[in-house]
Amino acid sequence: DAGVIQSPRHEVTEMGQEVTLRCKPISGHNSLFWYRQTMMRGLELLIYFNNNVPIDDSGMPEDRFSAKMPNASFSTLKIQPSEPRDSAVYFCASSFGAGETQYFGPGTRLLVL
Amino acid sequence: AQTVTQSQPEMSVQEAETVTLSCTYDTSESDYYLFWYKQPPSRQMILVIRQEAYKQQNATENRFSVNFQKAAKSFSLKISDSQLGDAAMYFCAYRSAGLSGGTYKYIFGTGTRLKVLA
Repeated sequence: DAGVIQSPRHEVTEMGQEVTLRCKPISGHNSLFWYRQTMMRGLELLIYFNNNVPIDDSGMPEDRFSAKMPNASFSTLKIQPSEPRDSAVYFCASSFGAGETQYFGPGTRLLVL
Repeated sequence: AQTVTQSQPEMSVQEAETVTLSCTYDTSESDYYLFWYKQPPSRQMILVIRQEAYKQQNATENRFSVNFQKAAKSFSLKISDSQLGDAAMYFCAYRSAGLSGGTYKYIFGTGTRLKVLA
């Protein structure tokens, strides 16, 4: 089992640029979660999908953030335009069912200059 | 609203000794799950142990065990025979019962950094 795969692992970009983070969940898992981790706010759930459908996006900070899950094996989190305060580690996690144990990917460290 | 509190920003333990990390939470629900996750310097989040609120028996995974006190809303993690590889940030997390439409709420504490001294 390859685990949850995230890319890129590190991203450095300039303010105003579009950033796309990618996630491949564990095969067979039907729930996918996006988290953001910062020193100030800790680990926050941004959005999660169940069977490719967004269920709860109440954690998405603002309209600059969008997430999609076009199929069961791929999801993206997009920030457009990016701002320095978006700098954080973004985690993707998946589970077999939204209420089941989540398995996290290695994270993407984003730095917006 | 549910909250999760980890009041110990940092803890230290001597190798081979036992350490207990504290976690308290607040909820009005009766059915929920609690988790401990470990985050080593690699930043990967690793599940350590999970507890179902309806179970009275405390969960155990090898050297890791919990003390779940439902009435007190306390969920501490005990690490026995501490090893250098246990050094990491430890996060306590709460998962609500299923809400209408099948949604869940996940809330994480702010973490406790554990140092293991050789």
